[in-house]
Amino acid sequence: QKEVEQDPGPLSVPEGAIVSLNCTYSNSAFQYFMWYRQYSRKGPELLMYTYSSGNKEDGRFTAQVDKSSKYISLFIRDSQPSDSATYLCAMRGGFKTIFGAGTRLFVKA
Amino acid sequence: NAGVTQTPKFQVLKTGQSMTLQCAQDMNHNSMYWYRQDPGMGLRLIYYSASEGTTDKGEVPNGYNVSRLNKREFSLRLESAAPSQTSVYFCAGGQDRIGNTEAFFGQGTRLTVV
Repeated sequence: QKEVEQDPGPLSVPEGAIVSLNCTYSNSAFQYFMWYRQYSRKGPELLMYTYSSGNKEDGRFTAQVDKSSKYISLFIRDSQPSDSATYLCAMRGGFKTIFGAGTRLFVKA
Repeated sequence: NAGVTQTPKFQVLKTGQSMTLQCAQDMNHNSMYWYRQDPGMGLRLIYYSASEGTTDKGEVPNGYNVSRLNKREFSLRLESAAPSQTSVYFCAGGQDRIGNTEAFFGQGTRLTVV
C-alpha cells in the first residue's frame, strides 16, 4: 500500500463548477499537508500548505485536512479553463515529504 | 529573479554514458532537492541538501550522486546511465521550515536513456 493515495482521474468538469480533489494517507506522522499544481511539461508550483487539521482558504482555493480520517481535500470554486492541470498532494513528517501521483483535471469552457 | 533554473531541459543519453544535471537558485534557499517524476508514481526524492556542504540520500539514490557546490547550486550526476533512469528530473528549493521546504521547483529536465 502506498503511503499516499490519489485518484489519477482524469476529472472533467464544466467551467464554473466546484472541484473536489482528495488524497488519503496512512502515516500518522505527517503534520504538514501541501497541494501543488503542475501544468503540462512544467514544474510543480506550491498552491497551499496546511499544518495539522483544519481548513485554509486562499481565493478560490480551500484546503481541508482531517487527520482523524487521514484524508485531505482541495476545493476549487468557480473553476476556470486555466485551472486545467495536474494537482499533486504532498505530506510531510520530519524531513520526509511524500507526494501523491497527481489527479488530472480538465475544466471545459 | 529566475527562481530555480535547471539545465539542460532535454537530454538523450546512451546506456553507460555519464552526465550532470545542473540546478541553480537565486532565492537564497537553504534546502535544495532532486526529484524524479515517473508516470503513475508521483515525485520521488533522490537526494536532498539541508544546507550548503551537506547532502543526504532520499528514497531512490542508487545510480546517482550529488554535489552542493555552494548555496546557489546543487548538481545531480549520473555516472553510468541506465534505461531505468529515463525520467523527468526536478530540482526544488525552499527555506528550512517544515511545510515550506519544497516551495519552488525548476522547469525540469527530460532525460531519455537509450
